[in-house]
Amino acid sequence: NAGVTQTPKFQVLKTGQSMTLQCAQDMNHNSMYWYRQDPGMGLRLIYYSASEGTTDKGEVPNGYNVSRLNKREFSLRLESAAPSQTSVYFCASTRGTGGFVYGYTFGSGTRLTVV
Amino acid sequence: KQEVTQIPAALSVPEGENLVLNCSFTDSAIYNLQWFRQDPGKGLTSLLLIQSSQREQTSGRLNASLDKSSGRSTLYIAASQPGDSATYLCAANNNAGNMLTFGGGTRLMVKP
Repeated sequence: NAGVTQTPKFQVLKTGQSMTLQCAQDMNHNSMYWYRQDPGMGLRLIYYSASEGTTDKGEVPNGYNVSRLNKREFSLRLESAAPSQTSVYFCASTRGTGGFVYGYTFGSGTRLTVV
Repeated sequence: KQEVTQIPAALSVPEGENLVLNCSFTDSAIYNLQWFRQDPGKGLTSLLLIQSSQREQTSGRLNASLDKSSGRSTLYIAASQPGDSATYLCAANNNAGNMLTFGGGTRLMVKP
C-alpha cells in the first residue's frame, strides 16, 4: 500500500517564485490536511479538507492556497514564496468524521527551502 | 484552544531500560490521542491511537495510556533498544474537523 504520497521530496525556490506541492492518498480517506514543521514550533496545520469539495483554514494559512482536486488529491500552492515559508511540509489523511474518529496517516514530507 | 505539552524534550537512556514519555493536554474534550514516531529527516509513523473511551492501547513493547480527567497520556517503552532512538510526538484530536494538535515531541536516544 502506498498510503500518502507527496511530491516533490525536496525543492529550492527563489523568493517570489510559485510552486505547488502535490499529495495523493490511496486509502479512500475523506479528510486531508497540510501541516508544516519548523524547529521549535512543532507541527502546525495550514489548511484542511474535511471532505471532497470543502477546504478550510488551519492555524497558519497566510501565503498558501489549496485545492481538493478529487477525493484522492489535495494540493498546496505557494503563490509568491517567502523565506519564512522554508519548512518541511507534511500531507496527512484520515477516514473522516461520522461519529467515530480515526487515526491519521502521514506522507514522508516535502523539504522546501526559499532563498 | 487546545495546547499539548511533552516532557521531557530530550531523553537519553542506556539500552534495556524501561521508560515513560509524557504528554499533557489542556482541553479534555478529545476524540482520541495518537502517538507518532519520527526519525530524522523522515515523516511521521503512527504508533498507537487511543480513543477517548479507552484507557490504554498496546503494541509490542509499547503501551500508551490515556487519562482524560487529568489531561495526560503516557507512552511506555519496555526494554528499550538503540533502534527506538527517534522523536516521539503525541497529538490530540478535538473536533469534528479532525484537526490534530501536536506536542513539541520528546527526542529519545537509546545508547548501546
